[in-house]
Amino acid sequence: AQSVTQLDSQVPVFEEAPVELRCNYSSSVSVYLFWYVQYPNQGLQLLLKYLSGSTLVKGINGFEAEFNKSQTSFHLRKPSVHISDTAEYFCAVTPYSSASKIIFGSGTRLSIRP
Amino acid sequence: GAVVSQHPSRVICKSGTSVKIECRSLDFQATTMFWYRQFPKQSLMLMATSNEGSKATYEQGVEKDKFLINHASLTLSTLTVTSAHPEDSSFYICSASGQGGTNYGYTFGSGTRLTVV
Repeated sequence: AQSVTQLDSQVPVFEEAPVELRCNYSSSVSVYLFWYVQYPNQGLQLLLKYLSGSTLVKGINGFEAEFNKSQTSFHLRKPSVHISDTAEYFCAVTPYSSASKIIFGSGTRLSIRP
Repeated sequence: GAVVSQHPSRVICKSGTSVKIECRSLDFQATTMFWYRQFPKQSLMLMATSNEGSKATYEQGVEKDKFLINHASLTLSTLTVTSAHPEDSSFYICSASGQGGTNYGYTFGSGTRLTVV
């Protein structure tokens, strides 16, 4: 079985400051890893994903994440945030199968202060 | 890119009536579709997984007779909330996976806000 832990339920950050949203996972098998963003009353949009290869993954909107197998982490980072980045962010995993269900973390609310 | 269209975006219904939510993959064949429910300020809870042409597989605790899922074609899955009650009010989101979709990722619909009065 897999599980995902997002330690921070809320992260307040000033505009143009860097941010890191933490994600740790647990799994007895190899997994694919994802970060999704959800704006109010909307569905989820894929920010980035790690399937294999380079452990540093770059996504949309200037976000990147680094897969660390030894620490079972997949933290999301952005060097300079904007007001428009205010949203809910979900880390997710799925085992190596094209149609396995995704396991989501509890989410981190990123709020940007001007 | 892969697009999933979900309708309606918002629906208000009277207690005791049924509501159907549609999820369509517009530019790929969705061999598997997933239905989630999301309560305010919470994560997504998987309700069921449906494969085209097969019966849906429901997660533990989800009433299959209340939440009817049909996946009759490779581009359409529907969720029908039968005899809806106020406690069924929630945000429902579908996602689709399949050939031509986000490789080993899942494309999500924009969600449906259901309010039962």
